[in-house]
Amino acid sequence: DAKTTQPNSMESNEEEPVHLPCNHSTISGTDYIHWYRQLPSQGPEYVIHGLTSNVNNRMASLAIAEDRKSSTLILHRATLRDAAVYYCILRDNSGGSNYKLTFGKGTLLTVNP
Amino acid sequence: NAGVTQTPKFRVLKTGQSMTLLCAQDMNHEYMYWYRQDPGMGLRLIHYSVGEGTTAKGEVPDGYNVSRLKKQNFLLGLESAAPSQTSVYFCASLRSGSQGEQYFGPGTRLTVT
Repeated sequence: DAKTTQPNSMESNEEEPVHLPCNHSTISGTDYIHWYRQLPSQGPEYVIHGLTSNVNNRMASLAIAEDRKSSTLILHRATLRDAAVYYCILRDNSGGSNYKLTFGKGTLLTVNP
Repeated sequence: NAGVTQTPKFRVLKTGQSMTLLCAQDMNHEYMYWYRQDPGMGLRLIHYSVGEGTTAKGEVPDGYNVSRLKKQNFLLGLESAAPSQTSVYFCASLRSGSQGEQYFGPGTRLTVT
């Protein structure tokens, strides 16, 4: 499985934008970029995913580099509830992979009031 | 619509005891997954199932068995618990052919003494 590299931790202030980076230089053509987050003492929850184009949803935006070797998750206005571990995951969508997710250690986001 | 539920929420076992963790989903999803998460780590895949009656090994299957007799349920068994199996266990489900999200349960915290 192609690997991702994320900073161990990041800090932000409430109501400011947050840019969470992810490097994935060995990404393959069938890999989708997925982001999940895990709030304290909870199971992971889906945030967003994309293939080549930038994506927006109600939770966040995903900016994907033109060569697809890196991406950035953008939280437009961080709240205290956004404090979590954020995981950037490459998921093979070729079908044979059975859509398995391989989690790294993620980025621990701290949001200051 | 309860999503993904897990039973029990907490359990303490003595070494050598056996137990079964139950995962249930009411979304009619074909794919189901069992992960474990050790302190400070990301989730690791134990076993998964692509449909009723089928199971497959994940990254860390040793010491665990699974069964998927009904589409909505995925059982994880520990035949002879060991302290190394102390962890938080998460179940997830996914609709077949989905490019999107795995839905995770709230987790089961297991301690083996």
